[in-house]
Amino acid sequence: DIQMTQSPSSLSASVGDRVTITCRASQSISSYLNWYQQKPGKAPKLLIYAASSLQSGVPSRFSGSGSGTDFTLTISSLQPEDFATYYCQQSYSTLRFTFGPGTKVDIK
Amino acid sequence: EVQLVESGGGLVKPGGSLRLSCAASGFTFSSYSMNWVRQAPGKGLEWVSSISSSSSYIYYADSVKGRFTISRDNAKNSLYLQMNSLRAEDTAVYYCARVAKGGWGDYWGQGTLVTVSS
Repeated sequence: DIQMTQSPSSLSASVGDRVTITCRASQSISSYLNWYQQKPGKAPKLLIYAASSLQSGVPSRFSGSGSGTDFTLTISSLQPEDFATYYCQQSYSTLRFTFGPGTKVDIK
Repeated sequence: EVQLVESGGGLVKPGGSLRLSCAASGFTFSSYSMNWVRQAPGKGLEWVSSISSSSSYIYYADSVKGRFTISRDNAKNSLYLQMNSLRAEDTAVYYCARVAKGGWGDYWGQGTLVTVSS
């Protein structure tokens, strides 16, 4: 099974900061890596798919990069509505998905 | 507008059973694979099970294999999760999600809470 790790597990940042979250897969997953945002009490929301494609309606301050085993989600200028938990997910194993443990972004 | 609405959650005793449903609308349900994903209180997301568009391919997480059964009725635009032999560790919010062609969950329901407790 493919295992996913994320770092850091949490971070504190200020509005306007550039934020970077890293996700690593236990084996190469090509570009089959997706990012979700989840706010308390809400369903996850797809942000980035296929490592670097921005989901429709998602602000351009969100971007994704990477391939193989190492991936990055970047928020170029953190906004108040971006305080949330972020999860990566591999979809390399067809219909057998794995999520990372999550990164909580809160206010400094 | 794509909508996914889960139902069927509730309080059940350990060893009991529950059947979750997910009603889909706003898209051609029979063309998409579907997922169940759960989230225990205060924990992260855990993939539970997936089913392909025609039910030809079905997969389960090891944690639920042999106890849970995923199914779908394309005529009724509905996805199901039959949960048997429930344990306290199955307590979670259960989400259904549409699986886009590349394997990402592009639409999610609001979730239904399952509590397993005596």
